[in-house]
Amino acid sequence: DSGVTQTPKHLITATGQRVTLRCSPRSGDLSVYWYQQSLDQGLQFLIQYYNGEERAKGNILERFSAQQFPDLHSELNLSSLELGDSALYFCASSVGAGAYNTGELFFGEGSRLTVL
Amino acid sequence: AQKITQTQPGMFVQEKEAVTLDCTYDTSDQSYGLFWYKQPSSGEMIFLIYQGSYDEQNATEGRYSLNFQKARKSANLVISASQLGDSAMYFCAMSPLDSGGGADGLTFGKGTHLIIQP
Repeated sequence: DSGVTQTPKHLITATGQRVTLRCSPRSGDLSVYWYQQSLDQGLQFLIQYYNGEERAKGNILERFSAQQFPDLHSELNLSSLELGDSALYFCASSVGAGAYNTGELFFGEGSRLTVL
Repeated sequence: AQKITQTQPGMFVQEKEAVTLDCTYDTSDQSYGLFWYKQPSSGEMIFLIYQGSYDEQNATEGRYSLNFQKARKSANLVISASQLGDSAMYFCAMSPLDSGGGADGLTFGKGTHLIIQP
């Protein structure tokens, strides 16, 4: 158990809908990362938050947004969903502003999104 | 921008043999970190080992070691005495390190599917 909690574990929805994925980082971790894993694109970095502020942005679509709340949990909002958004969405956390200090990110078990 | 290349989509290895999973990378950053993660069929991502670009010694963690060759831009993972439970997807990843030591998101390779046969 990595200590990172993601909900829901599975989600099935229709095209055009909006969903919210939630992540609680490990206790004490200030940094949260979101990743998307799909068969054709592999693991793609979406966005990183550090202590409530956006710190780095990757290949995140404009239809997607995220935030980190004062209690450090984070939410990833996916809107106007398309079939191609079906993927496994991972949240990861680390102690500092990046993976440097401990050399690792702690990943949650992922939220599997299926868009029909 | 960084790029990670894993040239072995899949590997079959006999139990108890040593395994080398290849990883090459490309980056213009002077300081960077290299990582290996394991993803079993259950889906979770498990951290295995980390190597900083400034580290002169190769990293080791139990049965895992990282063969870091900076001039060749390679960071191969070596698993000694493979076990059936090592069967999984293995991802090589990297991140630049800023002046404060902070890293942005990891860039992952496509992965290698390792199957250990009894």
